[in-house]
Amino acid sequence: GAVVSQHPSWVICKSGTSVKIECRSLDFQATTMFWYRQFPKQSLMLMATSNEGSKATYEQGVEKDKFLINHASLTLSTLTVTSAHPEDSSFYICSAGLPGGGETQYFGPGTRLLVL
Amino acid sequence: DAKTTQPPSMDCAEGRAANLPCNHSTISGNEYVYWYRQIHSQGPQYIIHGLKNNETNEMASLIITEDRKSSTLILPHATLRDTAVYYCIVRPPHFGGATNKLIFGTGTLLAVQP
Repeated sequence: GAVVSQHPSWVICKSGTSVKIECRSLDFQATTMFWYRQFPKQSLMLMATSNEGSKATYEQGVEKDKFLINHASLTLSTLTVTSAHPEDSSFYICSAGLPGGGETQYFGPGTRLLVL
Repeated sequence: DAKTTQPPSMDCAEGRAANLPCNHSTISGNEYVYWYRQIHSQGPQYIIHGLKNNETNEMASLIITEDRKSSTLILPHATLRDTAVYYCIVRPPHFGGATNKLIFGTGTLLAVQP
C-alpha cells in the first residue's frame, strides 16, 4: 500500500528558531498533500493544502508567513515553522492521496514539536 | 461538508463486536461516509467508506441507514490493538487535488478492555 513518511519524528527547539518538517510519499507521486496540526486531546485541524509547483492554500486562521509550505517535487512537501514559540508545540501530521483521487488519504506518522 | 456527531467515548470487551455510531443528519445525496482511526501518537488510518450500501472489508463493516442520516462502524472482534479514536467523516466525492482534504470532528475514543 501507499506509504507516507515524515521526518523528523520528533524535534525539540528553542523559542525563536525555525523548524522544518518533511513529508514524503514513498511509493507514489502526490500533486497534493495536506498538513494538519493536533494539540493534546484534540482532533486534527487542517492547516493547509500543499500543491506541487504552486502556492499552498491555507485554512482560515492559519498564518501563512509563520507556517511556510514548499512542495517542490511530486514526492516531497515541507512545512517550516518560522520563529517557533511554545504555543506552536504540537503534533504535525501530513497526508497524501493517490493521483486522480482514489479512496483514501494516507497519513504520515506525525512529527512531535516541542518548543522550549 | 456535512457535520457529524459521535459519542465521545465507548468501551468494548476484547473479542466482542464494537459498534460505533455516527449521526450525519444533514448529509447530502452525493456525500460519502468515511471512517478513519487514530491510535495514540500515530497518524490516522483509513478504515472504510460508503455511499448508501453497506460495506465490508478486512478491517470492519459499515452499516448506513436507508435515509443515510446515520451509520455504524462495526469491528467484529475487537482486540486491544483496536483501542483508538475513531473518526466519522462525511464529504463529497473526490477527484484528486484539494478535493481530497478531510475535515476531522472530535471522534469516539474506543477503549477495548481485556
